[in-house]
Amino acid sequence: DVKVTQSSRYLVKRTGEKVFLECVQDMDHENMFWYRQDPGLGLRLIYFSYDVKMKEKGDIPEGYSVSREKKERFSLILESASTNQTSMYLCASSPSKRESPYNEQFFGPGTRLTVL
Amino acid sequence: AQSVTQLGSHVSVSEGALVLLRCNYSSSVPPYLFWYVQYPNQGLQLLLKYTSAATLVKGINGFEAEFKKSETSFHLTKPSAHMSDAAEYFCAVRRGSTLGRLYFGRGTQLTVWP
Repeated sequence: DVKVTQSSRYLVKRTGEKVFLECVQDMDHENMFWYRQDPGLGLRLIYFSYDVKMKEKGDIPEGYSVSREKKERFSLILESASTNQTSMYLCASSPSKRESPYNEQFFGPGTRLTVL
Repeated sequence: AQSVTQLGSHVSVSEGALVLLRCNYSSSVPPYLFWYVQYPNQGLQLLLKYTSAATLVKGINGFEAEFKKSETSFHLTKPSAHMSDAAEYFCAVRRGSTLGRLYFGRGTQLTVWP
């Protein structure tokens, strides 16, 4: 069964802390994505990656960075957490479009981050 | 530019009633369209996707969606709502020119009354 896992379901951090959110997929997918989800705003793409060590900015990259050292793992980093980064963070993966443009994204369960 | 518009951020129906969730996409050839569902405190799960094989697409849990090119729409329907259908629903599109990424609508929260 296809699986995307995220390191924590709930996380509470303080302003200014460095925060790491980890995502692991076991499907050998090339593409991985980080979204944040806020009420009324839907899903907004933060960063994505098409391959190991490759990254592309999404729509709201400010205040975030990412790391992809291994194909199965994609990390989201908040260098200095702020209260406006309190949100639900969702990781997803998908096969490369070269296989099919109809490939869906598979989502993890999400991490609800609260920054105090 | 907005690629997908979901009309109605909240929809309420009675159990047994028809469910209709609306999605319109910006014209893009070809459109790759998806519907996802999110149950409380969970990630997103694929309901169905349009693959151009048929304009009426059947998904899981009794949902289906009809692709109408003339209306640039991909509305999601279910003939008879069940309490377990209460969730948030997202329409998404992949533009032909953008490898991999999906553009999501803002979501529609479905409430089902007993």
